[in-house]
Amino acid sequence: ILNVEQSPQSLHVQEGDSTNFTCSFPSSNFYALHWYRWETAKSPEALFVMTLNGDEKKKGRISATLNTKEGYSYLYIKGSQPEDSATYLCAFKGNTGNQFYFGTGTSLTVIP
Amino acid sequence: NAGVTQTPKFQVLKTGQSMTLQCAQDMNHEYMSWYRQDPGMGLRLIHYSVGAGITDQGEVPNGYNVSRSTTEDFPLRLLSAAPSQTSVYFCASSRVGQGVSPLHFGNGTRLTVT
Repeated sequence: ILNVEQSPQSLHVQEGDSTNFTCSFPSSNFYALHWYRWETAKSPEALFVMTLNGDEKKKGRISATLNTKEGYSYLYIKGSQPEDSATYLCAFKGNTGNQFYFGTGTSLTVIP
Repeated sequence: NAGVTQTPKFQVLKTGQSMTLQCAQDMNHEYMSWYRQDPGMGLRLIHYSVGAGITDQGEVPNGYNVSRSTTEDFPLRLLSAAPSQTSVYFCASSRVGQGVSPLHFGNGTRLTVT
């Protein structure tokens, strides 16, 4: 069982604020890191799949970076909107086996 | 596009009863998996499969059985339900080489065991 940690656990920001949160994972035996967005009463949806150290991915106002050597990934949201309110999950996969290890998520609330 | 379909959406069982949670996907994904979501915990893997006829245990397999007779279907069986199995269950699938392919999730099954 691997430890994947996300911080903060929850976050409240004003509309228009930019924000970021962290996913920490084991720095050895890295294979892939996924980010998912999970809206209330829906199922998680993939945002990014990241595999290479130094990867940067962007989707609209949301972007992510990856540092496999130190074992962390950042997710950034620029100019938060109420529709960004959701829980953001990261999932780590090592280079052995077929298991993903999920963090407990960061719950983001954007206040209009 | 149907994607990953889970049934039922809600279920209440008494302790000791058995039931099967259904999961079907129409994307021809080789990899299928079952997770449970409990308050304060991340999604935890119960069982997974990398293709028809192949299954393996995840992090929390006790009390659950799976089989994979077709590429499309991956049912999860609770043999004798216990209150500790009260949870929200998600089925997820992805393409083979699945570490670099995102997981596609079903809408979840909320199970209560009394």
